[in-house]
Amino acid sequence: GAVVSQHPSRVICKSGTSVKIECRSLDFQATTMFWYRQFPKQSLMLMATSNEGSKATYEQGVEKDKFLINHASLTLSTLTVTSAHPEDSSFYICSARDARQGITEAFFGQGTRLTVV
Amino acid sequence: KQEVTQIPAALSVPEGENLVLNCSFTDSAIYNLQWFRQDPGKGLTSLLLIQSSQREQTSGRLNASLDKSSGRSTLYIAASQPGDSATYLCADTTNDYKLSFGAGTTVTVRA
Repeated sequence: GAVVSQHPSRVICKSGTSVKIECRSLDFQATTMFWYRQFPKQSLMLMATSNEGSKATYEQGVEKDKFLINHASLTLSTLTVTSAHPEDSSFYICSARDARQGITEAFFGQGTRLTVV
Repeated sequence: KQEVTQIPAALSVPEGENLVLNCSFTDSAIYNLQWFRQDPGKGLTSLLLIQSSQREQTSGRLNASLDKSSGRSTLYIAASQPGDSATYLCADTTNDYKLSFGAGTTVTVRA
């Protein structure tokens, strides 16, 4: 299957600072990327969808000014957690598809464990 | 809104026993259904993808079935091994390209 690389895998930051997480599709062009958040022992909750050439679409309840998403190119999407607070500590996972081939398989990054202290 | 349910939430079996994991979804208008494996603190590994026109997919000891009319999918893992211990998630894709996830089944295979 296709490879999605997410970086960093772990990050610890101080409260009030911003953190950027990168998601790259290594061997395909990701026309659509998704960002998820996962709390301990819970399933993945979709935060936002970004499509090539357009702004991200945020799910209800997700603050778009706090979680900035940039689909910079067909192989890179970034999630920036701005002014992070301890309650933002979570596991963030990105997913990518090549939607030009129809609704195909979704591939996931390795996830980023964010801890805000 | 699509709702995906996985039963049981947790499962513990002795090595060698077959595993049966269930997934149900409320909206049968899905494009495909995927089964994933997640190890603690890790991302998701795709195990099987079943297109809406298919009834099952097989990969090694894994077999997944799909019954759209009843809104169900089942993942079978034959001859379980301790290395199969993980959380298994099912997710379907609807026409907005989004995945809707179940809460997962945490499997423990005892040696």
